[in-house]
Formats: sequence, C-alpha cells, structure tokens
Amino acid sequence: QQQVKQSPQSLIVQKGGISIINCAYENTAFDYFPWYQQFPGKGPALLIAIRPDVSEKKEGRFTISFNKSAKQFSLHIMDSQPGDSATYFCAASHYNFNKFYFGSGTKLNVKP
Amino acid sequence: EAGVTQSPTHLIKTRGQQATLRCSPISGHTSVYWYQQALGLGLQFLLWYDEGEERNRGNFPPRFSGRQFPNYSSELNVNALELEDSALYLCASSFVLADTQYFGPGTRLTVL
Repeated sequence: QQQVKQSPQSLIVQKGGISIINCAYENTAFDYFPWYQQFPGKGPALLIAIRPDVSEKKEGRFTISFNKSAKQFSLHIMDSQPGDSATYFCAASHYNFNKFYFGSGTKLNVKP
Repeated sequence: EAGVTQSPTHLIKTRGQQATLRCSPISGHTSVYWYQQALGLGLQFLLWYDEGEERNRGNFPPRFSGRQFPNYSSELNVNALELEDSALYLCASSFVLADTQYFGPGTRLTVL
C-alpha cells in the first residue's frame, strides 16, 4: 500500500507561472512532511518542509500548503523559472524520522 | 565540506550475480539510509543503519542486506540479482533521528 500518493506525474509550466504539486497521505501518525528536489544525475535535496501544527510555510518562491483534515499537502512554486525544471518528491515521516515514505515524483518542465 | 559519496557510479551485473554498493556519509553523521529508486516508483526505503546496527528495514526480501562499518560508511549487498532489481540506489546520511537526510548521487545498477 502506497503511504504517500503524489500527482501529477509530470507538469509543464510557462516561465513566470505557478507550479502546483499535490500529495496525499494515509497515516495520521505522520508529522513531518518534506519536499525534495532532484536534478538529473544528482541525489534528491531537501527543498522545504512542514509540520502539521501550521497550515502554510513559505521560503522564497516555494510554499507548502498543509490540510490536516484532508490529509493533503501541496507544493506551490511561484514565478516558476527554467532552473526549477527537476523532479520533485514529497515525503512523510513519523516523529522519530526513522523511516521516510516518498511519493512517486513529479517531473516539472518550465518552458522559457 | 564533502557530501555523501557513493561508488560505483554505474554497475552492470547479470541475473543471479551479487552486487555490492558503497556509501560514505557526511562527516559527523552516524545514520545511513538506503533507498531504491525504480523508474516511476519514487524512492522506496530499504534499510537504516546507525552506530553499526540495522535499525529499520523496508519491505524488501532478505537478499537485500548491508552493514555499517566503524567509520560509519556502509555497504549494500544484493544477492541473487533479478531483472527487476535494476534501479538507482540512493544512500542518504543524517545525524541520528534528525529530520534532514542528505543524499548521495546514487549508483545505477543494471541487471541483464
């Protein structure tokens, strides 16, 4: 059973547009939700993360929106740039971080 | 500061053979995690080592095993290779029970 479901699988956005990637989780015991960015040939790198005690977290052009009741969270990339073209993974973990569950990834292509 | 390193970059094996993948964590990190990234499936958690001990294991058969050495580097062994083992294998390191994992570039394993 997939613990974290991510959509869409791929996304094409024009430069300057807003990219939105969605994730849903099943286990209410999860309490840490990071997003990772992966460029070709590289390992994933932590982009931004949120805990369920807040509904939104913003870092620069990247925002996580969190809906605890719906068990959903999403990544918004404002003013998307060609350099943002990468694969994005959402993830979830229990409080002790001993195991992370990753979504299947979204390949973002920002057109110039 | 050096990041997580993995070797080899690419590995080609035939069915039934054994593969050994290596990982060196960031200096000071005691935890090492192994993930399998198969096409379209996101990252699947394999193993977590800390202080030389296996602390947690994902839903993989026993032919996936590993160990962590006194210098905190780690080895992943895959016995009796099957075609479906072809994937990118990622290693990540962190301080114990920390929320941020730092990933290496991965080892691309191809089973023919």
